[in-house]
Amino acid sequence: NAGVTQTPKFRILKIGQSMTLQCTQDMNHNYMYWYRQDPGMGLKLIYYSVGAGITDKGEVPNGYNVSRSTTEDFPLRLELAAPSQTSVYFCASSATGGLTEAFFGQGTRLTVV
Amino acid sequence: DAKTTQPNSMESNEEEPVHLPCNHSTISGTDYIHWYRQLPSQGPEYVIHGLTSNVNNRMASLAIAEDRKSSTLILHRATLRDAAVYYCIGGGSNYKLTFGKGTLLTVNP
Repeated sequence: NAGVTQTPKFRILKIGQSMTLQCTQDMNHNYMYWYRQDPGMGLKLIYYSVGAGITDKGEVPNGYNVSRSTTEDFPLRLELAAPSQTSVYFCASSATGGLTEAFFGQGTRLTVV
Repeated sequence: DAKTTQPNSMESNEEEPVHLPCNHSTISGTDYIHWYRQLPSQGPEYVIHGLTSNVNNRMASLAIAEDRKSSTLILHRATLRDAAVYYCIGGGSNYKLTFGKGTLLTVNP
């Protein structure tokens, strides 16, 4: 059982470049989340989705876009990367939103130079 | 989600119990209290959650105050592998989990 899988694990981007962080889960969970974690800080919610075709903003959505065309996948798109987006990104999924256990991926470490 | 307050850091000795406190005075009646932990260089992992009653599982116990304004995560016998940042989250009724800065637990051998 793979759980939540994120790719890539590491990436270096140049300022102004774009990329997509991939997240897929095999637990048939409706709820999926993207967080970012800056050094020494807690996790901040970027976007979340309550099901295929439905997404909503979290605390820090600026500079990011998401889509949810299938239950399994929840990609995070960075347009025009900036140094402020250097962070570790975590994807998570949950069967019933915040009422039960959420499962997290191992993270994508992104550096923008 | 409810705002939570946790100590920045705590220290324990191996094989001793650890009590990690959390204040969540603004929690709504339908919000759960969740605990997650994050080991170094890993994603957060679920520890335990509850609504009103005390909860036990193989990892820990959760003691919830009667007024639900505070809770305590109890690790019955700390091991070196329990060294991590522990996050208390009051929320879930709006499908989101909002993380604070958490408590850094150090376990001494």
